[in-house]
Amino acid sequence: RKEVEQDPGPFNVPEGATVAFNCTYSNSASQSFFWYRQDCRKEPKLLMSVYSSGNEDGRFTAQLNRASQYISLLIRDSKLSDSATYLCVVISNFGNEKLTFGTGTRLTIIP
Amino acid sequence: NAGVTQTPKFQVLKTGQSMTLQCAQDMNHNSMYWYRQDPGMGLRLIYYSASEGTTDKGEVPNGYNVSRLNKREFSLRLESAAPSQTSVYFCASSEWGAGSNQPQHFGDGTRLSIL
Repeated sequence: RKEVEQDPGPFNVPEGATVAFNCTYSNSASQSFFWYRQDCRKEPKLLMSVYSSGNEDGRFTAQLNRASQYISLLIRDSKLSDSATYLCVVISNFGNEKLTFGTGTRLTIIP
Repeated sequence: NAGVTQTPKFQVLKTGQSMTLQCAQDMNHNSMYWYRQDPGMGLRLIYYSASEGTTDKGEVPNGYNVSRLNKREFSLRLESAAPSQTSVYFCASSEWGAGSNQPQHFGDGTRLSIL
């Protein structure tokens, strides 16, 4: 089983809709979680951290479910500019520097 | 503010050739990283440098060497390129290491093809 798994998509969603996708992780000791965004042929960029109590940044909401070992990202009122690949990132603090990246979920917002 | 700068952006090599990918950051970050990204796989850590003067292997270090030249610069060297090293390479930096939960800032990437 992969350490971090994401549905690769693609998710094709009409503009203005709400879309959500999950990321599961296998290591129950994982400590930190992030969502990164990667545009086509560009570098990954931090979208938001994921806090235990859940957190919101504008139209984006991230949640963590430790019991079921997944994190989620919800995008409300989707915009064309939200089209990108969303990478789930997990840190397991074993004293090393390893961030584990998911393969990404591809999202396309349709006009 | 340039952030993380990688050179070159594109490179084509023949099998057996060597080359060095350069990376520099101007954010005074302590930690720097080299990743490769292949289709259908997440970014995989090749080597990292937690602080100036230290380097350590990541998940896929075979066939690569690194040098943390100073706090700003972290280079990745392919001594004898192989077709399996065809990939997109990203350099990243963070203020402190992954255990500090600091976000990583990525360069634009180097697209490397080995023929």
